[in-house]
Amino acid sequence: SYVLTQPPSVSVAPGMTARITCGGNSIGSKGVHWYQQKPGQAPVLVIYYNKDRPSGIPERISGSNSGNTATLTISRVEAGDEADYYCQVWDNSRDHQWVFGGGTKLTVL
Amino acid sequence: EVQLVESGGGLVQPGGSLRLSCVASRFTFSYYWMSWVRQAPGKGLEWVANIKQDGSEKYYVDSVTGRFTISRDNAKNSLYLQMNSLRAEDTAVYYCARVDSMISYFDNWGQGTLVTVSS
Repeated sequence: SYVLTQPPSVSVAPGMTARITCGGNSIGSKGVHWYQQKPGQAPVLVIYYNKDRPSGIPERISGSNSGNTATLTISRVEAGDEADYYCQVWDNSRDHQWVFGGGTKLTVL
Repeated sequence: EVQLVESGGGLVQPGGSLRLSCVASRFTFSYYWMSWVRQAPGKGLEWVANIKQDGSEKYYVDSVTGRFTISRDNAKNSLYLQMNSLRAEDTAVYYCARVDSMISYFDNWGQGTLVTVSS
């Protein structure tokens, strides 16, 4: 089955840029989606199809995808960005599986 | 604003059964694939099952195949997950989620219902 690999944690100071990676075999050929989850809350979609933002998601949050790595970038990080972030793809190569990465805890210092 | 409300969680013994429900509102339920996603305590997200608009296609993660059944009732705007032969490792918050029109991602989520499998 398709595997997505994320770093367990990323730390960044307020106002700086956070980059969260998601690794997978030829992931650049897939559509990657990102979710933000704050403690005790349901996940929220923040990026779909690599770089598109749903309405209400600030432009500070962006995404890219190439080769074997997709990246979620959060510019001008704020305290409110502290959360778990998950990447996800649809693997239609084997009986339709929707796969999540293990998640990355973003800590704002 | 899309609304998804889950119910049916609770404490169940290993080997037992439980049926989860999700009532959808503020969108045309019958137009969308729907999904169940779970999250074990302190762990990450895991996709569990998806169902097509008319119920004709269903997909499951390997760990629940043969034990869980996803279904829907479009007349009642409801999604279900019948869980049989439950194991301790099925303990999790179960989220109902709407799948986007290209069946690639989950664009709206419910608040979840907790299932605890323990003796």
